[in-house]
Amino acid sequence: EAQVTQNPRYLITVTGKKLTVTCSQNMNHEYMSWYRQDPGLGLRQIYYSMNVEVTDKGDVPEGYKVSRKEKRNFPLILESPSPNQTSLYFCASSSKGHGYGYTFGSGTRLTVV
Amino acid sequence: TQLLEQSPQFLSIQEGENLTVYCNSSSVFSSLQWYRQEPGEGPVLLVTVVTGGEVKKLKRLTFQFGDARKDSSLHITAAQPGDTGLYLCAGGNTPLVFGKGTRLSVIA
Repeated sequence: EAQVTQNPRYLITVTGKKLTVTCSQNMNHEYMSWYRQDPGLGLRQIYYSMNVEVTDKGDVPEGYKVSRKEKRNFPLILESPSPNQTSLYFCASSSKGHGYGYTFGSGTRLTVV
Repeated sequence: TQLLEQSPQFLSIQEGENLTVYCNSSSVFSSLQWYRQEPGEGPVLLVTVVTGGEVKKLKRLTFQFGDARKDSSLHITAAQPGDTGLYLCAGGNTPLVFGKGTRLSVIA
């Protein structure tokens, strides 16, 4: 089944403790992206990648890092999480890029205390 | 920053009614996408419209892209409880920008 898989689905962590949210897609898509969704603010793009080793900032990149060493994987790294990064995170992939629509994962609900 | 305004924010209707939701911007977009999101899940792509004036139909859902490529509408005919969800539009520029959504509730 074609899908984007994120792990974990739920995560509670403490301020300052480094964490990684993994994302993998099995559709051989070139484009991948990370979003966060917050009440009243909607979905906002954190980072995106147009291909292996090519990444760029979205609207809200501060406090996040990404890497794209392989086509199928696009992990999101929070080096020193803070409570304002408590959010619902989505990874997404696309074969053709921003103009043609994304397939989203099921989300990771992160709580930083 | 490009903004997409969606209206209405909330909509509650009876099964069988028709409805239209809107997505407006002052910016021109290369394409517009519509997604539906259910609680606890990621958005699911419904359609992408690319050409100004384009109309696409997906069963009881009709999507239209404005002539100037700044706005779009989603019309649902004879709504059913299964249509309940958060409807999001997204502008296909870089970075991809989402509206805040219309939360639709269809009551049986």
